[in-house]
Amino acid sequence: ETGVTQTPRHLVMGMTNKKSLKCEQHLGHNAMYWYKQSAKKPLELMFVYSLEERVENNSVPSRFSPECPNSSHLFLHLHTLQPEDSALYLCASSQGWPARGTEAFFGQGTRLTVV
Amino acid sequence: LAKTTQPISMDSYEGQEVNITCSHNNIATNDYITWYQQFPSQGPRFIIQGYKTKVTNEVASLFIPADRKSSTLSLPRVSLSDTAVYYCLVGDEGGSYIPTFGRGTSLIVHP
Repeated sequence: ETGVTQTPRHLVMGMTNKKSLKCEQHLGHNAMYWYKQSAKKPLELMFVYSLEERVENNSVPSRFSPECPNSSHLFLHLHTLQPEDSALYLCASSQGWPARGTEAFFGQGTRLTVV
Repeated sequence: LAKTTQPISMDSYEGQEVNITCSHNNIATNDYITWYQQFPSQGPRFIIQGYKTKVTNEVASLFIPADRKSSTLSLPRVSLSDTAVYYCLVGDEGGSYIPTFGRGTSLIVHP
């Protein structure tokens, strides 16, 4: 248990569906992240929310839409996805920036399958 | 883009010490070096972090030379359960602080 909880753990959706992934952290952190991990590929950063800024990977399609209503919750809204979007979606949080000496905590991920 | 280079894969046997080296030639002055472990279908897990010289905790040691252009994760006496992908992280290529992952090193521990 890392203190970062993702729901659901598994999701199967059709290409015309709309669904949302949820992430909640109970660590009091001020930054939250969405990563995508496709089969046998490295983790790909999708979005970052922090007190100072929101950062997004410009290569992420608009069919992925993040929402961060407060510092403890992060959502990833999905609509009209493609089969190639099937992947493990990971949420993480940190207090400050990991490259500056802190640790990122990851959730268990949501295994998404688009059919 | 990640600015680290690691071996793609390594093999070892139970009870051996494993050293995984990561190159980060363009590490920023303020960057820390962090190592994560990831099992299949799970999120990465923090192993160890350091800025310079040597850091040791209950699971690993991290060796960082004076120029900080590389680092070595040392796993003492590995077991089968250490089979995983190991990632070395520094700051983002663009100079920001966002944790950006490379391809990591797939370690397989054999009986």
